[in-house]
Amino acid sequence: QQQVKQSPQSLIVQKGGISIINCAYENTAFDYFPWYQQFPGKGPALLIAIRPDVSEKKEGRFTISFNKSAKQFSLHIMDSQPGDSATYFCAASMGNNDMRFGAGTRLTVKP
Amino acid sequence: DAGVIQSPRHEVTEMGQEVTLRCKPISGHNSLFWYRQTMMRGLELLIYFNNNVPIDDSGMPEDRFSAKMPNASFSTLKIQPSEPRDSAVYFCASSNSPINIQYFGAGTRLSVL
Repeated sequence: QQQVKQSPQSLIVQKGGISIINCAYENTAFDYFPWYQQFPGKGPALLIAIRPDVSEKKEGRFTISFNKSAKQFSLHIMDSQPGDSATYFCAASMGNNDMRFGAGTRLTVKP
Repeated sequence: DAGVIQSPRHEVTEMGQEVTLRCKPISGHNSLFWYRQTMMRGLELLIYFNNNVPIDDSGMPEDRFSAKMPNASFSTLKIQPSEPRDSAVYFCASSNSPINIQYFGAGTRLSVL
């Protein structure tokens, strides 16, 4: 039932480096693609989201790149900081609020 | 706003016991979701409600699981009888349809011994 595939499972980046997490989806009816950030002991929180009518969205150090033809999207974290260390989930939904999450990527940013 | 409130935060019970998890969504939100998070299976959608009506419960693992939403400000997820494999973190989330942003509670960590 996994409709959103996420990689890598874990990622270690040096402070100041670029973190890249990739996701691929199957259902072309998906029309909303958010990324959630989860810190230990907390629930996931919306980080940034994109709709398929644009190819890129940037908010501060966080950028989503979206490739509709390839059915792929990715999260780029520029100038990664230790405070960015968390688990990141990509997700996709099709307007009916039925959201499917990727398996998650545990990011560790080393000082 | 206090956000989505879940209780209890931690629950330890013995196999065979009934477990009830509680959720208070954000006021004004009309959709509520129950998720289960485990290392093996990640974040799984169990059931979601729209305007207090269950829309999709296909993620509910088996008949031992049930969920109710008697009003717009309260929902429960019940497991009866509980089994060790039910051990997980259970999250409740709410949103204000048609806006898809889901706001998650802090979760309930369930341990079934």
